[in-house]
Amino acid sequence: DAGVTQSPTHLIKTRGQQVTLRCSPKSGHDTVSWYQQALGQGPQFIFQYYEEEERQRGNFPDRFSGHQFPNYSSELNVNALLLGDSALYLCASSPRTSGSWANEQFFGPGTRLTVL
Amino acid sequence: AQSVTQPDIHITVSEGASLELRCNYSYGATPYLFWYVQSPGQGLQLLLKYFSGDTLVQGIKGFEAEFKRSQSSFNLRKPSVHWSDAAEYFCAVGRHGSSNTGKLIFGQGTTLQVKP
Repeated sequence: DAGVTQSPTHLIKTRGQQVTLRCSPKSGHDTVSWYQQALGQGPQFIFQYYEEEERQRGNFPDRFSGHQFPNYSSELNVNALLLGDSALYLCASSPRTSGSWANEQFFGPGTRLTVL
Repeated sequence: AQSVTQPDIHITVSEGASLELRCNYSYGATPYLFWYVQSPGQGLQLLLKYFSGDTLVQGIKGFEAEFKRSQSSFNLRKPSVHWSDAAEYFCAVGRHGSSNTGKLIFGQGTTLQVKP
């Protein structure tokens, strides 16, 4: 089992550009969450996808959008990049078992985004 | 507002000494709790989790944590620290119940330094 995988590992963009980050969940997991971790901070919840729909969103602007595919993999898109978007972006997957969302989330290694 | 506080930003202990990292939460609901560890440039690895039942939980690498509802705390402990334990530690809280979203709220993290 490869666990949660993310690509790319690192990315450098300039202000105003757009970026797409990718995530493949752990085998057997159908729910994907995205977190932003700024330097020296704890991760902050961006949104969560289940059954190809965004079901919960954190306090992030509409520039942040996502998608989940039928194979449960997910993308995070950020438009009109700002310097403040520089961070480690973490993807986490979990199974929705017994109708509950209260499950352990497995994290990927993250994508380090630098905006110049 | 929901929040997680890790009062100690940085802790230094000698190798072989005991360790306690503090975590307090304000959530207004029955929580489930995690401790994650993050090595530099890496994703998050789960150390242990509490969903219900026995309030003293055992995790990997010799770590344990105790959930104290009356104090809204979930402190992480280890009886004897190894140099390889040097890392960033994050406490995270989720919410049980029908309105549970699977969203995790993280503390700011505690950096552990281990002296030889």
